[in-house]
Amino acid sequence: GIQVEQSPPDLILQEGANSTLRCNFSDSVNNLQWFHQNPWGQLINLFYIPSGTKQNGRLSATTVATERYSLLYISSSQTTDSGVYFCAHAQGGSEKLVFGKGTKLTVNP
Amino acid sequence: GAVVSQHPSWVICKSGTSVKIECRSLDFQATTMFWYRQFPKQSLMLMATSNEGSKATYEQGVEKDKFLINHASLTLSTLTVTSAHPEDSSFYICSASSGGGNEQFFGPGTRLTVL
Repeated sequence: GIQVEQSPPDLILQEGANSTLRCNFSDSVNNLQWFHQNPWGQLINLFYIPSGTKQNGRLSATTVATERYSLLYISSSQTTDSGVYFCAHAQGGSEKLVFGKGTKLTVNP
Repeated sequence: GAVVSQHPSWVICKSGTSVKIECRSLDFQATTMFWYRQFPKQSLMLMATSNEGSKATYEQGVEKDKFLINHASLTLSTLTVTSAHPEDSSFYICSASSGGGNEQFFGPGTRLTVL
């Protein structure tokens, strides 16, 4: 089946630092989404990005579908960026999202 | 982005009782809704996919008679955990999409504790 691998599993940053989170997937892509799960469990949509590059404020994401990976960039990190970041992927022809295990980000003041 | 609500946000019940969780898309028509379960410090696992007016499709290992799913309209899906047991305690999250591989939007989740 589809495999989604995220790295690193844990990341600790000082406020103001930049970071890159990676998501590798094993099959052709129909849907690739990045989420931030806040401490209350709510999944917040960051990007819907089956291919290409998108930017939203301090966050940006790039998916290279031919090489089966996606990157999430966080610049000038803030303490409120702390939480778990998930990528999820649906293969071509399917709507089912398969989630990676997440990257737990801690941003210290 | 689109808004998906869930009710209740948390529930505590006795072993053997049934619990119903509602998932609503508030500002769009959800052709497809999905139900996930998340155990502490783990990722989300898809339980089932439901399309409006059709029977739900369950993932391998998920008991359809225990987790009853109804998708009666384009804005509402319900998950009923029947004869709940402590091992069913988990965080249940729904998502909704307008279909065709489009972006999924997630509800805030329901934390179920079975005593």
